[in-house]
Amino acid sequence: GQSLEQPSEVTAVEGAIVQINCTYQTSGFYGLSWYQQHDGGAPTFLSYNALDGLEETGRFSSFLSRSDSYGYLLLQELQMKDSASYFCAVRDLDTGRRALTFGSGTRLQVQP
Amino acid sequence: EAGVAQSPRYKIIEKRQSVAFWCNPISGHATLYWYQQILGQGPKLLIQFQNNGVVDDSQLPKDRFSAERLKGVDSTLKIQPAKLEDSAVYLCASSHSDRTNIQYFGAGTRLSVL
Repeated sequence: GQSLEQPSEVTAVEGAIVQINCTYQTSGFYGLSWYQQHDGGAPTFLSYNALDGLEETGRFSSFLSRSDSYGYLLLQELQMKDSASYFCAVRDLDTGRRALTFGSGTRLQVQP
Repeated sequence: EAGVAQSPRYKIIEKRQSVAFWCNPISGHATLYWYQQILGQGPKLLIQFQNNGVVDDSQLPKDRFSAERLKGVDSTLKIQPAKLEDSAVYLCASSHSDRTNIQYFGAGTRLSVL
């Protein structure tokens, strides 16, 4: 099975940088994904790391260390619209049929 | 490209009643998922379809939940009879079969069971 841990809440100010960590336990690993969800909205794909290292997409970056079973999402130049919940998710290689297992989410509040 | 369509957006029912949700995935996406998201938690997979076949329904409470995907396109999720603990948002998602890490979600159906 899989389990993921991420902080429940993070608060930061506009223009700042925030890092949301995710640690996972899986019996087989097939990449770490990140999704954003605004209140009342649908989860939206942000990034995916299959290999160790940093992936950058605009203001968002995601990092993975497979040896540490750890990843993070980095949000730069925070904007008010970044206030949302952020979920890390894994797919288990051993049960390749399975869909994603999501963490419980980190609620980010961006303050002026 | 049109996104994942779901209906209804909201539903209020009493316990022991039945309810059905509908999903139309993105055109060309062979894989379709139904997730349950309880307030304050991440989405939890209920069932995964590949075309019109079930790939994973290990977390579907089969005594009350059922789902089908006729003709490998639209899908329906049914709950009968509903319980109070079924109050949640039911999300439908779709993906290409070889890129299941990138899933596209619909806006969901918010179900309240009274």
